[in-house]
Amino acid sequence: DQQVKQNSPSLSVQEGRISILNCDYTNSMFDYFLWYKKYPAEGPTFLISISSIKDKNEDGRFTVFLNKSAKHLSLHIVPSQPGDSAVYFCAASATSGTYKYIFGTGTRLKVLA
Amino acid sequence: DTAVSQTPKYLVTQMGNDKSIKCEQNLGHDTMYWYKQDSKKFLKIMFSYNNKELIINETVPNRFSPKSPDKAHLNLHINSLELGDSAVYFCASSQERFSYEQYFGPGTRLTVT
Repeated sequence: DQQVKQNSPSLSVQEGRISILNCDYTNSMFDYFLWYKKYPAEGPTFLISISSIKDKNEDGRFTVFLNKSAKHLSLHIVPSQPGDSAVYFCAASATSGTYKYIFGTGTRLKVLA
Repeated sequence: DTAVSQTPKYLVTQMGNDKSIKCEQNLGHDTMYWYKQDSKKFLKIMFSYNNKELIINETVPNRFSPKSPDKAHLNLHINSLELGDSAVYFCASSQERFSYEQYFGPGTRLTVT
């Protein structure tokens, strides 16, 4: 039972344009969400997070939007840069539980110069 | 001065062998984790230790035994390796058990032949 889904395994975007990565979840107990970025042969690195009390969180070029009613979150990268090319994982956690993350399977973003 | 380091980076071994993967963090964090990323790219938590105490133990075969000699180290020992154990294993740490931001090591690619 995959509680966190990233239905697009890959995405290609032109440099300077917006990248939108999507993530859906099924467990209504999830109330904290994170995005991680992963380069080849490296571990994931934390990018941005959002609590369920918010619907938007912004950090520089990265913005995460949360739609609780739709159980959907998205990561927007504006403007996209070639260095953003990586695999992006979303993860969700329930603060009332053990705080463990449930990860999606990732979306490979390729930013074309 | 790698924050979370794992050794070895690659491990190729035969079925039935016993092997260990070591993890060390120099961030002064209290909590450490082991994750498994399988061939379908699912990144799943296996274990978590907080100050050497086991706090998360997912449904993992008994052949997997984590050991935390101190809070800076969390090693993973695997007995009687099976083909299905082939995966990338990531170690991670966080400041405390209720911290959402986790720092990942570079991963250990285990191949069982």
